[in-house]
Amino acid sequence: DQQVKQNSPSLSVQEGRISILNCDYTNSMFDYFLWYKKYPAEGPTFLISISSIKDKNEDGRFTVFLNKSAKHLSLHIVPSQPGDSAVYFCAASEVFSGGYNKLIFGAGTRLAVHP
Amino acid sequence: NAGVTQTPKFQVLKTGQSMTLQCAQDMNHEYMSWYRQDPGMGLRLIHYSVGAGITDQGEVPNGYNVSRSTTEDFPLRLLSAAPSQTSVYFCASSRGTADFSYNEQFFGPGTRLTVL
Repeated sequence: DQQVKQNSPSLSVQEGRISILNCDYTNSMFDYFLWYKKYPAEGPTFLISISSIKDKNEDGRFTVFLNKSAKHLSLHIVPSQPGDSAVYFCAASEVFSGGYNKLIFGAGTRLAVHP
Repeated sequence: NAGVTQTPKFQVLKTGQSMTLQCAQDMNHEYMSWYRQDPGMGLRLIHYSVGAGITDQGEVPNGYNVSRSTTEDFPLRLLSAAPSQTSVYFCASSRGTADFSYNEQFFGPGTRLTVL
């Protein structure tokens, strides 16, 4: 059973508009939630994270919102730019003994930002 | 500073063959991990290591072996390749932490493996 779900495989947005990517999770024990961005033929790169004790984190054009009661998080990109076109992975982190962060990934959402 | 490097970039194997995917990092990170990415499934953890000489299983460890003899290197071995192991493999590294805070995982560029 998938613990982290991204139900939208793709999203198309016009340049300058807001992109909203959604993610749901089932395990209330997750400590952190993260978004990774991936371009073709490259590894994922870290974008933004949020602790489970917060409900919002902002970094420039990127904001992540966490709704713990609904077990839902979302990534807002404002304004969207063509260079944002990539696959976005939602991930949840569970900290193991020894401090290792085990990441559970969603299936990804492919964002296309068109002029 | 090269970050996380992986070799080879591409590999084609026949069923039953063995091979080793190489991963190295030059950031002096304690933690290293191997993931596989399959269509519609995101990335899944195969094995991880919290330091030299210490490894443990992730979600999908069957058919893979790892070892960590140095801080820098974390090779992944396929003992007898199967078509189900066709995937893109990513290695990642991160700093250790003593306070259970989150430390970013840095990913390599990946190895695309096809098993015929």
